[in-house]
Formats: sequence, C-alpha cells, structure tokens
Amino acid sequence: AQTIHQWPVAEIKAVGSPLSLGCTIKGKSSPNLYWYWQATGGTLQQLFYSITVGQVESVVQLNLSASRPKDDQFILSTEKLLLSHSGFYLCAWSGDWGGGQDTQYFGPGTRLLVL
Amino acid sequence: GDSVTQKQGQVTLSEDDFLFINCTYSTTTYPTLLWYVQYLGQGPQLLLKVTTANNKGISRGFEATYDKGTTSFHLQKASVQESDSAVYFCALVDSGTYQRFGTGTKLQVVP
Repeated sequence: AQTIHQWPVAEIKAVGSPLSLGCTIKGKSSPNLYWYWQATGGTLQQLFYSITVGQVESVVQLNLSASRPKDDQFILSTEKLLLSHSGFYLCAWSGDWGGGQDTQYFGPGTRLLVL
Repeated sequence: GDSVTQKQGQVTLSEDDFLFINCTYSTTTYPTLLWYVQYLGQGPQLLLKVTTANNKGISRGFEATYDKGTTSFHLQKASVQESDSAVYFCALVDSGTYQRFGTGTKLQVVP
C-alpha cells in the first residue's frame, strides 16, 4: 500500500524568514506529485506538479518554489515568507499518464502560520 | 474557461436526514468529476469518481450522478450520520495533471 508523509505537521514562522516543507511517498514508483495550498475555510489551489525527478511545473507561484530531488520526494520552499503564505499545504500523488493520473491522493498536510 | 460551482457554503442536518449537495460545472469537454471529503484537520480523501464511461458513482452510502445535460454532479446520501460531518468538495479534472476544485460545502450533522 502507498503511504504519503508530510513534514513538519505545523509551523509558526516570522514574515521574511525562509521555509521548507517536505513530502515523501512510499510504495509507488514514479508517481506524479502535486502541491496544493488551502486558506482557512477555503478551497484547494494547485501550486505545482511534477511528473518526473528534476522536473517541476508551476501552476500558481505565490512567491514559492518547488523541487523534486528524488522520485519519492517533493519539496516546497521560499526564501522570504509573506503573511499571505499562511494556510494549509497539502501534498498529493497520482499515477502517471497511463495509470490513474486523474485520481489524486492527499497527504495529511502542513499547517503554516506566518506572523 | 472551465469552472466548478458549489453554491451551498454550509448545510446543517439532523441524523437520518437526506443529504443533497449541489455541484455544477462548465467545460467544453466531458471531464472526469470527483467528490472529496475533508475531515477537520486532515487532507481531502477521494469519495467518488465518475467518468463519461460510468456516469454514476457510489461509495460509503454516498451517490453522485453525472448529468451532461444539466452539467451537474450532485452528491446524495439517504441517511446522514454525525460522523459524516465534514467539508465536501466537488472537483473537475481539467487536464491530466490539473484538478479544479469547488469552494466546498461544510456539512454539519447534529444528533
């Protein structure tokens, strides 16, 4: 069975400080990976997706960047946090183009508060 | 462009009531449509997926039917329980890698 882990569970950070959030998927080879942002009480907005190691496509940047250093790992980061970055960050995976790409499975999320 | 609309922001029901959550979509294609459920403090879980091939999805007592004529994809359940309290999102698979989510409907079931 596939498992998805996100770290940290929650963060409180100061405006202007750097941020790095991580996501690891186990039990699935070469998954598509996704980052989403969710404002409190809001909808989900896809930020980035990656279909292979080293390749990341931006959907909505929000002064964030993403990288995929390994097949099973996806990183979201920024060098300078803004107040508007507060929210719930979710990582998700799916199969590739030939195998269930339209079904995404979400991780438990990281809650971020920027002060 | 493509869009997904959930007009009900919040629904409050009593246990054993019938649930109906409205979702309409706009697209030039025949997309895959999904319902997700998000419990408090957790990531969303896929509840139902419906494609043009099957038109209807049933899972955990929930049912959704894909109506191309009215471009609707409503979620129903005959008898809700307190444990069904959560936020329900309708989503449209816009492209292989992009899912467009509705604004969510918060369901509160009171005992």
